[in-house]
Amino acid sequence: AQSVSQHNHHVILSEAASLELGCNYSYGGTVNLFWYVQYPGQHLQLLLKYFSGDPLVKGIKGFEAEFIKSKFSFNLRKPSVQWSDTAEYFCAVTPFSGGYNKLIFGAGTRLAVHP
Amino acid sequence: DADVTQTPRNRITKTGKRIMLECSQTKGHDRMYWYRQDPGLGLRLIYYSFDVKDINKGEISDGYSVSRQAQAKFSLSLESAIPNQTALYFCATSDLPSDYNEQFFGPGTRLTVL
Repeated sequence: AQSVSQHNHHVILSEAASLELGCNYSYGGTVNLFWYVQYPGQHLQLLLKYFSGDPLVKGIKGFEAEFIKSKFSFNLRKPSVQWSDTAEYFCAVTPFSGGYNKLIFGAGTRLAVHP
Repeated sequence: DADVTQTPRNRITKTGKRIMLECSQTKGHDRMYWYRQDPGLGLRLIYYSFDVKDINKGEISDGYSVSRQAQAKFSLSLESAIPNQTALYFCATSDLPSDYNEQFFGPGTRLTVL
């Protein structure tokens, strides 16, 4: 079955530390890739997306992600986190398998940034 | 951003009660979705609808039903609520072309079944 794995369920960082959140998916064909963020008490918002082209994708608020097809990975990065980045981050994948191309979510990673 | 709205935002109910969660959107999108979010499980798809006459089950539809009253409205019902349906429920929308499948989410409804 198609699935999305996020390796870290909880991450705690200090402000200015660098961030990398792992995301791997299990599908060998064409995919669209997304990172969503959910700030405390708010709905999911799109952070960035990859459809095609340059595998290094820049998103909002200084986030970026790199699609490495050979590793089935789409890791999220930020060079220097802020307290306001405290949130839950979800990786999501749409595998193109014919018919309805559903959006499959990972379990999420809770990030806590301490001042 | 109030393009996708959900009512109620919070609801506490008792086992066996019928509950309806409502979703409205002003984005003009054809496709609408209902998900539930559980800690450690991410979001799982309950139902989705491509238009008013096209409704499909997701991966966890048992115990739920939906109604697409209009392009802009998509309701989720729990005919007889049970405690393991306690979760955060999200409605989402997407537009064509569906291949990209970028979805836009509402603020969520926190449902507690006692």
